[in-house]
Amino acid sequence: ELKVEQNPLFLSMQEGKNYTIYCNYSTTSDRLYWYRQDPGKSLESLFVLLSNGAVKQEGRLMASLDTKARLSTLHITAAVHDLSATYFCAVDLLTSGTYKYIFGTGTRLKVLA
Amino acid sequence: DTGVSQDPRHKITKRGQNVTFRCDPISEHNHLYWYRQTLGQGPEFLTYFQNEAQLEKSRLLSDRFSAERPKGSFSTLEIQRTEQGDSAMYLCASSPWEPLPYEQYFGPGTRLTVT
Repeated sequence: ELKVEQNPLFLSMQEGKNYTIYCNYSTTSDRLYWYRQDPGKSLESLFVLLSNGAVKQEGRLMASLDTKARLSTLHITAAVHDLSATYFCAVDLLTSGTYKYIFGTGTRLKVLA
Repeated sequence: DTGVSQDPRHKITKRGQNVTFRCDPISEHNHLYWYRQTLGQGPEFLTYFQNEAQLEKSRLLSDRFSAERPKGSFSTLEIQRTEQGDSAMYLCASSPWEPLPYEQYFGPGTRLTVT
């Protein structure tokens, strides 16, 4: 059974600091996704990583994928309060000819002013 | 706005009642998914449609749950004889046929509260 684990589960950080969220998964997959969710809201797509070594950056967020290590990272540079949210990684799993996402446990980020 | 829409956004019901949710995917998206999310957890896969065919159902989807996608357009998720444990956010997502069905676009969700 595919498992997707994130750490840390909770992260409280000061504005201006850097930090990395880790996403480990237990089976082979070449595709990994990062989503952001604000309280009570739906999921907003941040990054789609489609191959080993993929790196994508948007503003203060940068995501990377190492399929050999089954690891993705989401790096936050110089955090600002607006980045406070829950971040999920997801891996897509092909079973019986269909794809479905398996989500991680989520990392709840709080950026303190 | 041509994103995924869901209706209703909130539903409060008494235990034992039936509820039905609707999802309208992005136009021409062939793939449609339902997920359930409880507080503090990531979304859990419930079921998947390719056009009108329901190709996969999670073991989470008990006999009280049924989903349809007539004509391969909108989809409905019905829960019969609701239980308090059904309280959750129900999320719908769609993705295009090509390229591979990988990026999913999520709707705003329907929050169900069973009292």
